[in-house]
Amino acid sequence: QKEVEQDPGPLSVPEGAIVSLNCTYSNSAFQYFMWYRQYSRKGPELLMYTYSSGNKEDGRFTAQVDKSSKYISLFIRDSQPSDSATYLCAMRQNSGGYQKVTFGTGTKLQVIP
Amino acid sequence: GAVVSQHPSRVICKSGTSVKIECRSLDFQATTMFWYRQFPKQSLMLMATSNEGSKATYEQGVEKDKFLINHASLTLSTLTVTSAHPEDSSFYICSAGSTGGRGNTIYFGEGSWLTVV
Repeated sequence: QKEVEQDPGPLSVPEGAIVSLNCTYSNSAFQYFMWYRQYSRKGPELLMYTYSSGNKEDGRFTAQVDKSSKYISLFIRDSQPSDSATYLCAMRQNSGGYQKVTFGTGTKLQVIP
Repeated sequence: GAVVSQHPSRVICKSGTSVKIECRSLDFQATTMFWYRQFPKQSLMLMATSNEGSKATYEQGVEKDKFLINHASLTLSTLTVTSAHPEDSSFYICSAGSTGGRGNTIYFGEGSWLTVV
């Protein structure tokens, strides 16, 4: 079983839809949770970064963490064609230094005009 | 703007030569940097963890003599692909762990496309 599971998609939605991207994980030691957006042929761009359970909102993006269920989500409201990209979840432990970050495989999102 | 800079963004080299890719943290000190490789339509594959002032830690299956990593300062790590071959052609990405005002998270460089001909 992988430490982080993420549906690779592709996920196609019409413009304006609410998008829900999800990851599950098995390592209860993960404390920091990140979402990255990667356009084709570009490096990943940090979108959201959370530490605690609950919701964190930034513009059209909301990150949700449920540590009891080991489940994280990224919601995109009013999705735009420019949101079409691969979205990677990532997580790491809190062990006093920078440990290896574990990534999901990424979900490819296509927003259709 | 970018907080981690990678250079060059694209490089073409002849088979058998070596090529160096630089990764710089622009406004924070990074004691740890990471190097990834990504093939088309595939996820990131961690190659090695680069620690300032010490030897890099390589992932299983990554040839440390072929992929030389140097982390000589708190803002610079380099990846040198030695005796490059066409199968080394790939997208190489670095990332750095930030501290202080940027929070405890990981930022990525823009990536470097290597083509070996």
